[in-house]
Amino acid sequence: DTAVSQTPKYLVTQMGNDKSIKCEQNLGHDTMYWYKQDSKKFLKIMFSYNNKELIINETVPNRFSPKSPDKAHLNLHINSLELGDSAVYFCASSPWGSGNTIYFGEGSWLTVV
Amino acid sequence: AQTVTQSQPEMSVQEAETVTLSCTYDTSENNYYLFWYKQPPSRQMILVIRQEAYKQQNATENRFSVNFQKAAKSFSLKISDSQLGDTAMYFCAFMKYRYNNNDMRFGAGTRLTVKP
Repeated sequence: DTAVSQTPKYLVTQMGNDKSIKCEQNLGHDTMYWYKQDSKKFLKIMFSYNNKELIINETVPNRFSPKSPDKAHLNLHINSLELGDSAVYFCASSPWGSGNTIYFGEGSWLTVV
Repeated sequence: AQTVTQSQPEMSVQEAETVTLSCTYDTSENNYYLFWYKQPPSRQMILVIRQEAYKQQNATENRFSVNFQKAAKSFSLKISDSQLGDTAMYFCAFMKYRYNNNDMRFGAGTRLTVKP
């Protein structure tokens, strides 16, 4: 009964490929996020969506495109993968409102070779 | 922009002892939220404790407690009776008070090792 689940958990792919990471939450939350954790463990927000509406869009290359078909899903599509995209990508969700705890998925470890 | 600083990249503690992880932040906001998350080797990000800036009382959660000093912009985490399972990366995080814009910013993390 994973609250925030993302697939795949591990992904190894070649430069130039296009890949997607899927995320689903069963917590009934209205807000979902994508975070990137680099090799030095630094966590940075990429996007947030609230009820399918884009709220936060950090300075991320436009090769990264989030898609929210409904409030329980937020997928991340990455075009033309580069070596520097290798990282752990975390999906997360939180309830509506200010200051609410953000709940994270287990992460998707992307390696670009 | 808000910044979160964790000045201790690595720390270690003997099992059953107490350890304090430091965190400072920079903000001009008056209302905000602070968090500590734990990331064990499994990579899962787990909430340890949450503090609302308008509450003077320090948050506690079992063996975990914080020392929140608003004027000093300091938010340290104390772990009492350390256990081997506490071995993890610990991240301090800041969130502004904005209705429905939970923009959480993390520090660089502190790697804690609990030794038997």
